[in-house]
Amino acid sequence: DAGVIQSPRHEVTEMGQEVTLRCKPISGHNSLFWYRQTMMRGLELLIYFNNNVPIDDSGMPEDRFSAKMPNASFSTLKIQPSEPRDSAVYFCASSATYDTDTQYFGPGTRLTVL
Amino acid sequence: DAKTTQPPSMDCAEGRAANLPCNHSTISGNEYVYWYRQIHSQGPQYIIHGLKNNETNEMASLIITEDRKSSTLILPHATLRDTAVYYCIVRVTGTASKLTFGTGTRLQVTL
Repeated sequence: DAGVIQSPRHEVTEMGQEVTLRCKPISGHNSLFWYRQTMMRGLELLIYFNNNVPIDDSGMPEDRFSAKMPNASFSTLKIQPSEPRDSAVYFCASSATYDTDTQYFGPGTRLTVL
Repeated sequence: DAKTTQPPSMDCAEGRAANLPCNHSTISGNEYVYWYRQIHSQGPQYIIHGLKNNETNEMASLIITEDRKSSTLILPHATLRDTAVYYCIVRVTGTASKLTFGTGTRLQVTL
């Protein structure tokens, strides 16, 4: 299995631009998680899906952030408009079920907003 | 979720056992202890988890005290590639299952 796939691995953009991060979970996994990691705040859960349905988005920082999961094999995290404080590493993770199973993380997308 | 307390950093000589402690004194009966690690510039990696019994897999062993208020992750023969930040996480089961990462222990394995 290829594991969780994220793209792009690095993204540099200017303030105000739209940014879209992509994730392909492990085949057969029913749950998908988006995390953000910064030096100041560590690793934080932003949102997670179960069977393509958003379950908890309480970690999404504000309305500029949105996430979708149109099918079981693809999810996006969008930031519009982006701001310098959004600079971070964004990780996607998937698990077989959302409540007890191990989460497997992707390699992350390093986002820099200038 | 219950909070955990870990030392901020530890050193270990290559080839020796690395014993990483974690305190979780307010853990509830249905909460598991999970360990993840994060090697520099990579995503977190699952290591092991347990409820009350000691657990062992190909990566590590997990020793949970009888009262479940603390645990120790053991890497039996540490290598340079085990240098990473190790996170001890207490996780509620059967509900919204968030992994709440603390600051972890930065393990440095040296020659």
